[in-house]
Amino acid sequence: GAGVSQTPSNKVTEKGKYVELRCDPISGHTALYWYRQSLGQGPEFLIYFQGTGAADDSGLPNDRFFAVRPEGSVSTLKIQRTERGDSAVYLCASSFKAGLAHYEQYFGPGTRLTVT
Amino acid sequence: ILNVEQSPQSLHVQEGDSTNFTCSFPSSNFYALHWYRWETAKSPEALFVMTLNGDEKKKGRISATLNTKEGYSYLYIKGSQPEDSATYLCAFPSGDQTGANNLFFGTGTRLTVIP
Repeated sequence: GAGVSQTPSNKVTEKGKYVELRCDPISGHTALYWYRQSLGQGPEFLIYFQGTGAADDSGLPNDRFFAVRPEGSVSTLKIQRTERGDSAVYLCASSFKAGLAHYEQYFGPGTRLTVT
Repeated sequence: ILNVEQSPQSLHVQEGDSTNFTCSFPSSNFYALHWYRWETAKSPEALFVMTLNGDEKKKGRISATLNTKEGYSYLYIKGSQPEDSATYLCAFPSGDQTGANNLFFGTGTRLTVIP
């Protein structure tokens, strides 16, 4: 079956520009997570959706970052006024539902964002 | 923020060698521990979700053990093959059994198997 997909796979942008990163979760998965992996680090949590609502956005680094999931399926991570420090691999994961620690999260291949 | 540590950071082994690496995590408020394998240019792939102290899980040549009282898990690879080359990540869910359970990841162990 189809896994989690993310587009684009690579994005190069200039400092100060706006970018959108898209995630298509596994059909039927109600929970969706965004993580960011910077060089030499493990993935770090950004935001999680249960259905359409952002249930926990405590990992977003600042107000330049915003994410939506208007119909409870596809999600878009939006970054305004990009900075070089935003360069990272952005990972999306989905899960059948949130709330249970043993539920597996299924990851997409990530979007590699490079801000020049 | 939960402190999840992995060692070593990187490892080179010869094809056919067996190897193991460690994940340490907070021993209090334990709910589960996840192991992932992440090959370059691919999606992180779940290997195991471990929940019980003393748990031992196996998938082919890869196995993992769990000690929740002392806060560590070992991942073992028997007879390493070049296709085992990847970064192995462990992750600890936040919150409790009814919370969001976003994952706190270690920095990973980068394994390279030399043919």
